[in-house]
Amino acid sequence: SQTIHQWPATLVQPVGSPLSLECTVEGTSNPNLYWYRQAAGRGLQLLFYSVGIGQISSEVPQNLSASRPQDRQFILSSKKLLLSDSGFYLCACLLRKSPYEQYFGPGTRLTVT
Amino acid sequence: GDSVTQMEGPVTLSEEAFLTINCTYTATGYPSLFWYVQYPGEGLQLLLKATKADDKGSNKGFEATYRKETTSFHLEKGSVQVSDSAVYFCALLHQAGTALIFGKGTTLSVSS
Repeated sequence: SQTIHQWPATLVQPVGSPLSLECTVEGTSNPNLYWYRQAAGRGLQLLFYSVGIGQISSEVPQNLSASRPQDRQFILSSKKLLLSDSGFYLCACLLRKSPYEQYFGPGTRLTVT
Repeated sequence: GDSVTQMEGPVTLSEEAFLTINCTYTATGYPSLFWYVQYPGEGLQLLLKATKADDKGSNKGFEATYRKETTSFHLEKGSVQVSDSAVYFCALLHQAGTALIFGKGTTLSVSS
């Protein structure tokens, strides 16, 4: 079965600092990969998704970027964090064959101060 | 475009009460439907799913039936427990789709 690892689990960063969140997937190959953000008490916002190595689609233009250097690695980055970047960041993978289920990682809690 | 609408929360119940969380969707064709659960401080977990009309998904005492005629996938549980307190998300996916479409989530709080 699939396992998604995210790190770090929690992060406190000052405004203007860079960001790098990493996600790796085990137990499947060639999945779709996703980054979501969840602000406090809010729903899920899809930030980026990738259908393959080097293929990134952005859903919401902002100061974040994503990269997929390997099949099962997905990285979320920023050059300069904003206060509004605070939130709970979730990585997810979608199996591209039956049963077409999406699985989530444990998340990274980011606080920008 | 496709969308999912969930009832607004929070839903507050006493232990052993009956639970219904409404979910309706707008989509072309026959998407797969899902319920996810998020416990405090954790990622989302797949709770149950249904892939075609009249399918019933079930897990941990929760059930939901794919109703094509009413475009609904309501989540039900006969007797909730304090440990069911969480946020519940309804979602849909087309087989050819690239990403799930989520509802906004419904917070359930169960007290003893």
